[in-house]
Amino acid sequence: EAQVTQNPRYLITVTGKKLTVTCSQNMNHEYMSWYRQDPGLGLRQIYYSMNVEVTDKGDVPEGYKVSRKEKRNFPLILESPSPNQTSLYFCASSSASGWGDIQYFGAGTRLSVL
Amino acid sequence: AQSVSQHNHHVILSEAASLELGCNYSYGGTVNLFWYVQYPGQHLQLLLKYFSGDPLVKGIKGFEAEFIKSKFSFNLRKPSVQWSDTAEYFCAVNSDFNKFYFGSGTKLNVKP
Repeated sequence: EAQVTQNPRYLITVTGKKLTVTCSQNMNHEYMSWYRQDPGLGLRQIYYSMNVEVTDKGDVPEGYKVSRKEKRNFPLILESPSPNQTSLYFCASSSASGWGDIQYFGAGTRLSVL
Repeated sequence: AQSVSQHNHHVILSEAASLELGCNYSYGGTVNLFWYVQYPGQHLQLLLKYFSGDPLVKGIKGFEAEFIKSKFSFNLRKPSVQWSDTAEYFCAVNSDFNKFYFGSGTKLNVKP
């Protein structure tokens, strides 16, 4: 089954404790992206990647890092989480460069930073 | 930065009522437009998309949307909603080549 898998689904952590949210897709997609969803703000793009070793900033990249060492994986790293990063996070992938293509979303990771 | 505005944050309708959700975007260049839907407890999934050609596009489950370039709008419509349409709806714009911008979402509650 074609899917985008995020782990963990739920995470509670404390300020300053580094964490990684994993994202994996099994569709051989080139384009992958991370979003955060906050009430009243919709989804905002954090980072995206057009292919292996190619990443770029979205609208709200501050406080986040990403890497794309393999085509299927695109982890999101919070090196020193803060309470304002409490949010619902989605990973997505699409088959082409991203331009005009349909994105497939993961189930989301709900993060609480205390 | 681009922006996408969804003016209806929460809509409550009875079954069989007609639906129109507004979406306006700020980018003046070439755009691709999408509506995504998030049913309770499920992933976001594509409802419909516009890339080029006929500005009236049809999607799944009887939804359609009309792209009006002069108004920078891409409104979503459905003639007769069902209880199963209860969900949150997001308008999205793909501009700046690889970037995506989403609206704040509209929660639709359909009363049986």
